[in-house]
Amino acid sequence: QQQVKQSPQSLIVQKGGISIINCAYENTAFDYFPWYQQFPGKGPALLIAIRPDVSEKKEGRFTISFNKSAKQFSLHIMDSQPGDSATYFCAASLWAGGYNKLIFGAGTRLAVHP
Amino acid sequence: DGGITQSPKYLFRKEGQNVTLSCEQNLNHDAMYWYRQDPGQGLRLIYYSQIVNDFQKGDIAEGYSVSREKKESFPLTVTSAQKNPTAFYLCASSRTLAGVGEQYFGPGTRLTVT
Repeated sequence: QQQVKQSPQSLIVQKGGISIINCAYENTAFDYFPWYQQFPGKGPALLIAIRPDVSEKKEGRFTISFNKSAKQFSLHIMDSQPGDSATYFCAASLWAGGYNKLIFGAGTRLAVHP
Repeated sequence: DGGITQSPKYLFRKEGQNVTLSCEQNLNHDAMYWYRQDPGQGLRLIYYSQIVNDFQKGDIAEGYSVSREKKESFPLTVTSAQKNPTAFYLCASSRTLAGVGEQYFGPGTRLTVT
C-alpha cells in the first residue's frame, strides 16, 4: 500500500496557537518523510523532513513527531502566525519499481486568524 | 538566482489542441519531475527523468509526453488525448533520483482547456 493519508483537510487556528497536521502510512518501506508548504499560486517548498530512525525533529517553530510503531507522523506549528497560512503536504519516499518515489498526502489548508 | 522557472504562468487552450509547458532549471540537478495538482488532491506524478535522454512514466502519464534533450530543460506536452487537462502543473527537480524526497519546485503553470 503506497498511500499517505493526511488529516485534517482544512484547519483554522488562532494566532499564537498550535497547528497540528497528521499523516499515516501503511508501507514500512518508506524511508524519508518530508513536509512541504505551498502558498496560493506557488509551487511547494520543502519545509522540514525526518527519517524513521528519529522520533522528533525541530526547526524553529516547526516540529515533526514520528511514531514508527503506529506508522504515523505529524507536523506541529508552534505560535502559529497569519504568515503560516498555506497548504501543507506530508510525503513519504520509497524505492519502488526501479526508482525512488515520493508519495504525497492530499494536503491540509491551514488558515491562521489574527 | 538558482531555481526552476516555468512558463507561462497561465495558459488557455481550446479542446483538441496540443500544448507544451516549459520547465528550466539552473540548479545542475540530474533528476526532474512533472506533477499535476488538482483541488483537494495531492501531487500526482506524470513523468520523471533521472538523466538526459532518459525519462519514465509516472502514475498518470496517459495523454502526456516529455523530452529531456538538455539537463536544464524538461518540457511537458499535454496532448489532445488527455481527457481532463485543466489543472495546475508543477515541475520539480532533485540533485539525483535518490534525493527524490528533497525536491525543488517551480512556480507552476495553470492550464485551462475549454
